[in-house]
Formats: sequence, C-alpha cells, structure tokens
Amino acid sequence: GQQVMQIPQYQHVQEGEDFTTYCNSSTTLSNIQWYKQRPGGHPVFLIQLVKSGEVKKQKRLTFQFGEAKKNSSLHITATQTTDVGTYFCAGRSSSGYALNFGKGTSLLVTP
Amino acid sequence: DTAVSQTPKYLVTQMGNDKSIKCEQNLGHDTMYWYKQDSKKFLKIMFSYNNKELIINETVPNRFSPKSPDKAHLNLHINSLELGDSAVYFCASSSQGSTEAFFGQGTRLTVV
Repeated sequence: GQQVMQIPQYQHVQEGEDFTTYCNSSTTLSNIQWYKQRPGGHPVFLIQLVKSGEVKKQKRLTFQFGEAKKNSSLHITATQTTDVGTYFCAGRSSSGYALNFGKGTSLLVTP
Repeated sequence: DTAVSQTPKYLVTQMGNDKSIKCEQNLGHDTMYWYKQDSKKFLKIMFSYNNKELIINETVPNRFSPKSPDKAHLNLHINSLELGDSAVYFCASSSQGSTEAFFGQGTRLTVV
C-alpha cells in the first residue's frame, strides 16, 4: 500500500531559527495535505497541494509539492514558541477513501 | 458547535473488558475514519466508512468492530481489551476526495 515517509522525527530549535520537515511517498500522490497537532490536541488541517511543483505560503510557513508529486516539504521561517507541535503530511489514496499520514515531525522551540 | 465529537475523552479499563467509543459529525460529510495514535505519535488509519459502508480495514484485529448506524455516526467497539490497545483514538470525517479531514478531540484509552 501507499507509504508516506517523513523526516526528521524530532527537531529542536531556538526561537528565531528556521525549520523544515520533508515528506516522501512511495507512489505518486494525487495531492498532499499538511496537518499540525499541538501537544495534547488533535490534528488540524493546514493546507493541501495538488499541482506538480506547487508552492503555497501561509505567513511564515512555505509548502512545496515536488515536480514528480512524490515529495513535499514544509518550511517555517523564524520559528516562534507558538509553532511547537507535531507536523504531519498526509497523502490521499487514489480511491480517495484513505488518508495515509507520515509519522510526523515533532518541533520543539526554545525561547 | 463541535464539528466532530467523540465520547468519552478518557477511558481507563482493565484487560479483557469490552468498551465502545462513539463519534458523531455534524458537517454533512459522507466519509468517516478511525485512527489510532500510539505513544510515538504515529497516526495509523484503522477504518474508513463511506455512506455507512466499510471501505477500508487496515489489518486491524477483529476484536475491533466499527459500526456506522448512519452517515453522521461511526462508533468503535473493542472486545477483550489488551495492554497494547492503549493509545489515543481519533475519529475524523471528510467529504470523499475533498480537501481536509476534520478530527475529533480524541479518546485516550488506557488498558491496565
């Protein structure tokens, strides 16, 4: 079945530093989604990328979808303590019924 | 109004017991899911239902039995609970093929 790999598993940064998490799929994805889960919370949708090579920005967050639609990245510029949490990428199966999550990257930001 | 609601939020029970977790969504979505999140934060899909019909069953032990009485509800019944079942269980919903999935608050199950 479709597998979505995500690295790194953990990242600890000083406030103000940048952060990037990478996602790779074993198969071509129709689209990729990104979610954020705060400690003790539930996953919350951030964005969806659909087109090959697509780049989207949300304030300090930049999301990219690879040309081959097999990889994606999330980059946070100048991290803040409010960015703390686990960031997941998720690929939807071709049938559309399954949303398979990567293992997530847990971000810790130290003031 | 909570879009996806799960009950209970916490569940502590002994090995061998049977328990249920309920999930309801008021978003009008046709697809609902159960995910298991272990201590390492890995979100693993367990089941997916579309219009009350089981679509995906990801190698989950048959002690786990989902039931969808209607499109807005997807309950999870677990028989003969084991220590390894301890985890946070998330219910989620979406429209088939749409953008985002909405998650419930999660049910933290602890088997002792």
